[in-house]
Amino acid sequence: GEDVEQSLFLSVREGDSSVINCTYTDSSSTYLYWYKQEPGAGLQLLTYIFSNMDMKQDQRLTVLLNKKDKHLSLRIADTQTGDSAIYFCAESIAFGASKIIFGSGTRLSIRP
Amino acid sequence: NAGVTQTPKFQVLKTGQSMTLQCAQDMNHNSMYWYRQDPGMGLRLIYYSASEGTTDKGEVPNGYNVSRLNKREFSLRLESAAPSQTSVYFCASSERNEQFFGPGTRLTVL
Repeated sequence: GEDVEQSLFLSVREGDSSVINCTYTDSSSTYLYWYKQEPGAGLQLLTYIFSNMDMKQDQRLTVLLNKKDKHLSLRIADTQTGDSAIYFCAESIAFGASKIIFGSGTRLSIRP
Repeated sequence: NAGVTQTPKFQVLKTGQSMTLQCAQDMNHNSMYWYRQDPGMGLRLIYYSASEGTTDKGEVPNGYNVSRLNKREFSLRLESAAPSQTSVYFCASSERNEQFFGPGTRLTVL
């Protein structure tokens, strides 16, 4: 079945780049997403990439997609304390009602 | 534009009690969803509604019922709450492939 895997924790120094990795199993995924969840809040869509793209850049965020290895990554440049959150990778395998399969989330913590 | 709103924010129930979690969206979206979030498990889909008048089971529907009252509102009901249903519940709505989430309801069942 469909599955999305992420590591649970990542710690980086303020000002460094953060790279959060994700693997997924379903090769028919049409969209791949990164959501951010701050403490006590719901999920907010950060960025997404269509499955026919290899890379997408949006200000400090860079998404890389390796379809052959079914690997997705999110790079946050110049990581700030406000980037502390849980980051969820997700995939959408069906258009329309679009059930989205979420990973378990990576908790990013920032060291001074 | 409030987006997706959920009530209540917090709830404590005793085993066997019933309650309904409310969700409303003002973005005129067709699709709405209920998820539960448990530590280390990400979000799991309970039920979803592709459009007004339709509902379908997700990954973990047992112990829950839903009602798509109209295009705006999608409620989740626990008929007889169990401690295993202690979780944070999120409602979401979407048009095409982007989902918008409510702030969540933290439910504790004793």
